Amino acid sequence: QVQLQESGPGLVKPSQTLSLTCTVSGGAISSGDYYWTWIRQPPGKGLEWIANIYFNGGNSYNPSLRSRLSTTLDASKNQLSLKLRSVTVADTAVYYCATTELSRHRLGLDFWGQGILVTVSS
Amino acid sequence: DIQMTQSPFSLSASVGDRVTITCRASQSVISYLNWYQQKPGKAPKLLIYGASSLQRGVPSRFSGSGSGTDFTLTISSLQPEDSATYYCQQTYSTCSFGQGTKLDIK
Repeated sequence: QVQLQESGPGLVKPSQTLSLTCTVSGGAISSGDYYWTWIRQPPGKGLEWIANIYFNGGNSYNPSLRSRLSTTLDASKNQLSLKLRSVTVADTAVYYCATTELSRHRLGLDFWGQGILVTVSS
Repeated sequence: DIQMTQSPFSLSASVGDRVTITCRASQSVISYLNWYQQKPGKAPKLLIYGASSLQRGVPSRFSGSGSGTDFTLTISSLQPEDSATYYCQQTYSTCSFGQGTKLDIK
């Protein structure tokens, strides 16, 4: 079964770029069998969808973040990455990567990483 | 964007109680509605997908119903380990979540 592990800096200064990586095991990104999702959760608050990422490149982004967001897939490392530019304290959150089989598209997210807390502070 | 509204915001119930949480969408999501359980410090866990299908491994006391704009998650006989926050998620148009319902055990 697929396992996900987020990694990256836990502290980012305001106006800088937040960069996270999600390492995938138990399944190949290049297989095209899965689609990949980033979700975040500010401390004590609810879940916010960030992006869906597909190996064929047909990505979709949260409109409220689209202008600051970029995502990539690295098949050679079996990793997905997220970059969020010009961060503010409002971007402080636990960031999760998650996935499910493409055949189960829209039917919930089966597999989640443990999440990584990113704090935006000077 | 499709807005998801859950009610109640929080509730407290006793072991053995039947508990219902509702989720309303600002427009029809057909049956593209999923439910998650999240415990403190943990990632969400998928309970129900497609409005009413039980995810494998999830106890049968959990059930989901509804279509269009109105959905419910029911726990038929509350257990101590069900203390958690529950979220609905629509995947009809990209994705959005309800604000969550915190369930405590009396």
